[in-house]
Amino acid sequence: EVQLVESGGGLVQPGGSLRLSCVVSGFTFSSFAMSWVRQAPGKGLEWVSGISGGGIGTYYADSVKGRFTISRDNSKNTLYLQMSSLRAEDTAVYFCARIPSKYWGQGTLVTVSS
Amino acid sequence: DIQMTQSPSSVSASVGDRVTITCRASEDIGSWLAWYQQRPGKAPNLLIYTASSLQSGVPSRFSGSGSGTDFTLTISSLQPEDFATYYCLQANSFPYTFGQGTKLEIK
Repeated sequence: EVQLVESGGGLVQPGGSLRLSCVVSGFTFSSFAMSWVRQAPGKGLEWVSGISGGGIGTYYADSVKGRFTISRDNSKNTLYLQMSSLRAEDTAVYFCARIPSKYWGQGTLVTVSS
Repeated sequence: DIQMTQSPSSVSASVGDRVTITCRASEDIGSWLAWYQQRPGKAPNLLIYTASSLQSGVPSRFSGSGSGTDFTLTISSLQPEDFATYYCLQANSFPYTFGQGTKLEIK
């Protein structure tokens, strides 16, 4: 059974930092590119960042470029998203996902507020 | 970056109706398009991949078509469980992009 389990969300002040993790099981993690997708309250889905299977290629939406860093540890089957200089508009549920596929986590809520 | 324009943003329909949702890409994405359904508070559920391939376990009333820049999701006969929000996603090149979403509501 495939599982993607995110963690690390929470309340953070504007300008602060947070690191999200996603532990994956059930498929050969290192063989697949992975992505982070977010959804602000009441809004649509926004692709945030992606990383190649080997971790060499990294990609970002313009809205987070220079502030967020995606990485992975294939020995631990874990995907990360380091978020810094957080803004109120980064408030969202963050999903890790193997895109384009049916494999998504259940999401972790990040709230940026003072 | 590739922009995805999805329409309509919302649609009201009745059980048994046929509904069509469209997505237009700002440049050729071949068949690298997926359709997702999302219910409130849940992760998206994959319906269609590579524009027209039905994901295993998804009812056959869902179908996808198109290639290049113009794509369509059709639900042939709406069922009560189909009232949800639908998104297209281009996975041709990074950065991937979603359409704005279509909320399917009960008339």
